[in-house]
Formats: sequence, structure tokens, C-alpha cells
Amino acid sequence: GENVEQHPSTLSVQEGDSAVIKCTYSDSASNYFPWYKQELGKRPQLIIDIRSNVGEKKDQRIAVTLNKTAKHFSLHITETQPEDSAVYFCAAPAASGTYKYIFGTGTRLKVLA
Amino acid sequence: SAVISQKPSRDICQRGTSLTIQCQVDSQVTMMFWYRQQPGQSLTLIATANQGSEATYESGFVIDKFPISRPNLTFSTLTVSNMSPEDSSIYLCSVYSPSESYEQYFGPGTRLTVT
Repeated sequence: GENVEQHPSTLSVQEGDSAVIKCTYSDSASNYFPWYKQELGKRPQLIIDIRSNVGEKKDQRIAVTLNKTAKHFSLHITETQPEDSAVYFCAAPAASGTYKYIFGTGTRLKVLA
Repeated sequence: SAVISQKPSRDICQRGTSLTIQCQVDSQVTMMFWYRQQPGQSLTLIATANQGSEATYESGFVIDKFPISRPNLTFSTLTVSNMSPEDSSIYLCSVYSPSESYEQYFGPGTRLTVT
């Protein structure tokens, strides 16, 4: 089965700086990698995802990159703002061909004004 | 994306009792999932609820403790049985529908405290 590791566990950046969160996975057959943002007391919200047939996807200030050879994918947030402060989770399919996710342990991002 | 609601939003229960959590979706979905999120932790999948068949449980979770119903394509319930303080968590349902490809969306969660 899949194993997902996420780093760092906490990250503090100055407003306007960039933030990068990295996840590694173990199953080379995994083909879909979502990122969720969870604000305090709220549900996880899907913010971006990437499929294994592309290496990068961008949506305004957020982007995700995928390195299939090294089996890692990263979330990049540019020009960070205080409202980006939240816990971010990566995920990967629990096993090839399933729609169940294994989640990373989460990264608490704090953007300092 | 689907609109998902859960009831109750929170509850405080006595140990040894049971609580049933409801998840309602505004459109038909093929798969529904139940997750547990312990305080300050990540999300752990409890089971997959499929309409017309029994739920599939993940390692460490059993039907006697977490019975699940899925009577139709828009509704599911999760019961937390014979509760102990260790069951204090947020319980979330999520849905997946083929029309949304692999994307999954979460309900607002039920915050359970067991005393």
C-alpha cells in the first residue's frame, strides 16, 4: 500500500515570501495527488491537484510540481498572505486503482504580517 | 462540487453510549467515505460506504464499533458505538463522484467529545 510523508510539519514565512511543502510517496503506480487546505475549525478544502501525466500545474498563486522519478510532489505558494495561514495536507491514492486517499501528516503554515 | 452537510455539527456524549452521524449530499454520488481526525492530527480513513453493499473498513476499524449505513446515493450514517474518551475526534464524510474525476470533497465534520 501507499505511504505518504510530508515535510515540514510547521512553516513560518513573512508575508509576501514563498512557501514550499513537500510530500513523498512510495507507490510508483499512484497517479493523482491532491492538496487540501484546512483552516481552524473548518473542513479540508481541495485547493489544487495534479495527475501523473503532467509535471506542473498552476492556479494563480499556488502551484504543484510532480517528480515521478523521485516520487515526490510539492505545493508552492507565492506572495503569501495572512489568509494563507492554515494546515495543508497532501494525499495520494491508497493503492493503485482505488479512490481512497492516504493523507500526509500535515503542515501548519503561518504567514507573519 | 457537491454540497455536503452533516448532523450533528458537534456533540458531547457519555462513555458507553452511541452516536449516529448523518451525511447528506445534494446530488447522487457513487462513493462516500468516513474519516476520523483526532485533535491536531491528519485524516484517517475509517471506511468506504457504497450504496447497495456493505461498507469496507480500513485496518484498525471494525463494523461492530463503527457501523455504517448507505441506504441511497445521497445519504450515509456512521455510528460510533460504546464510546470511550479515545473516540473524541472530528468525524468527516467525503464524497467522490465519477463526474468529478478523482476529486473528493468533505463535509463540515462532526466534533465529538466523549466524557
